[in-house]
Amino acid sequence: NAGVTQTPKFQVLKTGQSMTLQCAQDMNHNSMYWYRQDPGMGLRLIYYSASEGTTDKGEVPNGYNVSRLNKREFSLRLESAAPSQTSVYFCASSGPGWGEPLHFGNGTRLTVT
Amino acid sequence: DAKTTQPPSMDCAEGRAANLPCNHSTISGNEYVYWYRQIHSQGPQYIIHGLKNNETNEMASLIITEDRKSSTLILPHATLRDTAVYYCIVHRPGAGSYQLTFGKGTKLSVIP
Repeated sequence: NAGVTQTPKFQVLKTGQSMTLQCAQDMNHNSMYWYRQDPGMGLRLIYYSASEGTTDKGEVPNGYNVSRLNKREFSLRLESAAPSQTSVYFCASSGPGWGEPLHFGNGTRLTVT
Repeated sequence: DAKTTQPPSMDCAEGRAANLPCNHSTISGNEYVYWYRQIHSQGPQYIIHGLKNNETNEMASLIITEDRKSSTLILPHATLRDTAVYYCIVHRPGAGSYQLTFGKGTKLSVIP
């Protein structure tokens, strides 16, 4: 039981390049989330998916797109990376029960030069 | 969601209880108090949550005041591995997805 798995762990991009961050969970959770964490800023929600087939914007969605490929997988795409997107990205999932907590992956550290 | 206030940092001697306070004076009746922690560069880890009764699990205890305007997370016997940033979050769960607002938390340093 791996929980939430994120790939890659590290990535360096040049400005304008594109990439997709992958996330998969094996807990049969309905809801999945993408957060970014910047120094001194806490975690900020980028996008979330309440269930397979639905996605919604969070606090900071600009410059990102997401795909809920199936119940297990939720990917985050940067179409044209910018230095402002240098950050640590965390994927999370939660079960359907009332007040279920979030389970996080260990993050992808992205640097855009 | 109600706003929370936590001290930016705290120290605790190894083996002693760590008591981490959180103020949430604007909490409403259907909002829960959640605690997470983040150990150096890892993803946040859920610790415990509660509505109004005190809660205990294998990791920690959560004490919520009777007026629910503040709470305390207690790590009964802190170890060096408990050094982390601890986040107190107040949130009203909704059906399906929901959003948690993570602030800056309290950096707990456990000292040998």
